[in-house]
Amino acid sequence: GAGVSQSPSNKVTEKGKDVELRCDPISGHTALYWYRQSLGQGLEFLIYFQGNSAPDKSGLPSDRFSAERTGGSVSTLTIQRTQQEDSAVYLCASSPELGSNQPQHFGDGTRLSIL
Amino acid sequence: SQKIEQNSEALNIQEGKTATLTCNYTNYSPAYLQWYRQDPGRGPVFLLLIRENEKEKRKERLKVTFDTTLKQSLFHITASQPADSATYLCARRMDSSYKLIFGSGTRLLVRP
Repeated sequence: GAGVSQSPSNKVTEKGKDVELRCDPISGHTALYWYRQSLGQGLEFLIYFQGNSAPDKSGLPSDRFSAERTGGSVSTLTIQRTQQEDSAVYLCASSPELGSNQPQHFGDGTRLSIL
Repeated sequence: SQKIEQNSEALNIQEGKTATLTCNYTNYSPAYLQWYRQDPGRGPVFLLLIRENEKEKRKERLKVTFDTTLKQSLFHITASQPADSATYLCARRMDSSYKLIFGSGTRLLVRP
């Protein structure tokens, strides 16, 4: 596709349920990033992928969070046993390759609400 | 630890004026600083990147400066328009990692 696509755009679920968020990066982009943005706050880095490998998982808030990427393309972010503090917008971005000189192309996010 | 700070108060200006937004960082200068625009309900959109050895970068009505002595980047929008109203984010790379640290953003409101 032309841009980064995320699904679902909105997700409402009950506390304690598991959720899976999906990101389709721009075709050919080897680097993929996940961020979280709480209401009125800046972006909080969660994890990045180079290909299918995630060298830095230090941003994941707890062991309830996990992410994977397959085929160097689609990535899923999974949150197990969701808590109310997990409510936020989860943003995905991709770039042609890793590097601080690489602009990141963002999707419009998944708005997650935990009841 | 590296931090990046932006003025959390909204900037409210009259159409046609120049908007100037500030981004301050701690510790040593990053090799690059990036600026993004974010509209409500949308993901950030990349605007400009400036390198450490560049004093200034321009793109149409946008100008970014990088002062490594002050540890500051300024983002200017000249001849501002109501359509420029958005939140503007600056970002730098975290040491020894490829993750970007974003500022919390400054909201710009351009009055017609």
